[in-house]
Amino acid sequence: SSGLTQDPAVSVALGQTVRITCQGDRLRSHYASWFQQRPGQAPVLVIYGKNNRPSGIPDRFSGSTSGDIASLIITGAQAEDEADYYCNSRDTSGGFHWVFGGGTELTVL
Amino acid sequence: EVQLVESGGGFVHPGRSLRLSCTASGFTFSDYVLNWVRQAPGKGLEWVGFIRSKAYGGTTEYAASVKGRFTISRDDSKSIVYLDMNSLKTEDTALYYCTREVFDSGSYSLDYWGQGTLVTVSP
Repeated sequence: SSGLTQDPAVSVALGQTVRITCQGDRLRSHYASWFQQRPGQAPVLVIYGKNNRPSGIPDRFSGSTSGDIASLIITGAQAEDEADYYCNSRDTSGGFHWVFGGGTELTVL
Repeated sequence: EVQLVESGGGFVHPGRSLRLSCTASGFTFSDYVLNWVRQAPGKGLEWVGFIRSKAYGGTTEYAASVKGRFTISRDDSKSIVYLDMNSLKTEDTALYYCTREVFDSGSYSLDYWGQGTLVTVSP
């Protein structure tokens, strides 16, 4: 187990809102980051920290955390949002390692 | 513009060694922690390890799956981070990404990624 649990697949109708979740005890101590990975491409950071978007990421992407669950919310999903999404966070044990969730495949219908 | 370009991947037999390189540009390389992350074919992302900046001792951390076999080093004069992989196993077959770590708005993240270099370990 990676320590961060994601649903393997989620679907959303075009223009609707979708929430992708990531669950793990370490999220009580460290914020999750979220990455989008389109087929054949490198991951791209879309959300980090409490709810921060890197430059160039559309504002339809947002993040939140409640207890041990972090969420990536896409408000008004677009066809180009169809991708795999990964969460990650720092490990709570020594060494400050990184841990990734198993990924969620998002389909936009 | 921040760029990370990996190289050195290829085909190798189990038990052999390989060195990957990641050449950086567009930022002050010596100030940053650099990470390696891998992705086996059709699988998810797996953190491999990182190297701290010299200001923080240049020390390294590794995932349990590679500790003792992989070594990360850096040459700040050339803006290159290396991943030396020894005693390779078939399960090390993956696309290896180099990624920059930052601390921003009170949290850490991996903000820039290279395009990856493919390592195939097979008999």
